[in-house]
Amino acid sequence: NAGVTQTPKFQVLKTGQSMTLQCAQDMNHEYMSWYRQDPGMGLRLIHYSVGAGITDQGEVPNGYNVSRSTTEDFPLRLLSAAPSQTSVYFCASSYSIEVQETQYFGPGTRLLVL
Amino acid sequence: KQEVTQIPAALSVPEGENLVLNCSFTDSAIYNLQWFRQDPGKGLTSLLLIQSSQREQTSGRLNASLDKSSGRSTLYIAASQPGDSATYLCAVESEAGNTPLVFGKGTRLSVIA
Repeated sequence: NAGVTQTPKFQVLKTGQSMTLQCAQDMNHEYMSWYRQDPGMGLRLIHYSVGAGITDQGEVPNGYNVSRSTTEDFPLRLLSAAPSQTSVYFCASSYSIEVQETQYFGPGTRLLVL
Repeated sequence: KQEVTQIPAALSVPEGENLVLNCSFTDSAIYNLQWFRQDPGKGLTSLLLIQSSQREQTSGRLNASLDKSSGRSTLYIAASQPGDSATYLCAVESEAGNTPLVFGKGTRLSVIA
């Protein structure tokens, strides 16, 4: 198993540009989520999904869109990038949100918005 | 709203020393508590998961305890090694709300050879 993969590893954007951060897992996990990690703030949940076709907002959803058309993929879209979205983004997955399971994290995408 | 606090924020110890990292949470209604390790520039790796009905979990030189009623957990690292240098994050899964995992800000550990 490749586990949780994320692309790209690093990206520079100009303010106002849009882009999609990709996340995929090959463990047949139902639950997938996106976090952002900022210095002094810890990890904060952006959006999550409990299965294909189902998504919900986390703590900091503004400026981000998600969809879950397949079990494997959970892309995160930045609609109009802002400098405040400069961060490291982590995707995570687990078998089910209702089962007390370990969460697996991807290696992260480092985003710089100028 | 669940809040997770980790103390200390940074810790530096000589190799071979036993050490304790602390985690506290404000709402005791949790499903579980997890400890993660994060190396610089890398993702998170799960170390230990303690379910709400358990009091401790052990993996090698790591031992994590949970006192749910007092809202506390500790991660004990025995005979520390330079390879243990990393940031250690505590996260709780609450019974309520839309935030399945709430993270602390982490403890940055440096083990000096």
